[in-house]
Amino acid sequence: DTAVSQTPKYLVTQMGNDKSIKCEQNLGHDTMYWYKQDSKKFLKIMFSYNNKELIINETVPNRFSPKSPDKAHLNLHINSLELGDSAVYFCASSPLGGEAFFGQGTRLTVV
Amino acid sequence: DAKTTQPPSMDCAEGRAANLPCNHSTISGNEYVYWYRQIHSQGPQYIIHGLKNNETNEMASLIITEDRKSSTLILPHATLRDTAVYYCIVRAGISGGYNKLIFGAGTRLAVHP
Repeated sequence: DTAVSQTPKYLVTQMGNDKSIKCEQNLGHDTMYWYKQDSKKFLKIMFSYNNKELIINETVPNRFSPKSPDKAHLNLHINSLELGDSAVYFCASSPLGGEAFFGQGTRLTVV
Repeated sequence: DAKTTQPPSMDCAEGRAANLPCNHSTISGNEYVYWYRQIHSQGPQYIIHGLKNNETNEMASLIITEDRKSSTLILPHATLRDTAVYYCIVRAGISGGYNKLIFGAGTRLAVHP
């Protein structure tokens, strides 16, 4: 059983399009995250949700809108995609204050 | 969250111990030391964490100096599958609320035959 699963694994799209990345965790964790890893390989947190409530928003452009329908899911919707959005996006979950478990990533390429 | 300093890269022979250092001289009393690794093209993987005592699990050992300003992650018998980027992170514990993990550049460990 995959603990944190993201779909799709690869996403190639044109500039200006709107796309979504889905994330699901079956670990029963209360907290979920989205991280972005750019071409320089730095991992940076974007958002964190706890029990479906947004608790961290790291000055991410408002073209990025996370949505948590329940505490096992945290989806990331991106409007008007730009070239600079190309990156690997990782979803993660953790118990409150505990170690995080990461998904395998979604490689987004904007052309 | 306190910052950490790690060497950018290290080599290790297969079967030998890999000792990865980390400096965190500004660590606060309620901050833990966490280690994660990222194997190529995969998501980061939790390894171990500690507050002030040394810790050991099935993956590694964590040695934290008495003043807590530095630590060492030890992989006792490195294998080729341990080749990865290793991240040392300090963060507050549960009492600190909803903490994010702040990843630095990490140490790229190459295990060779």
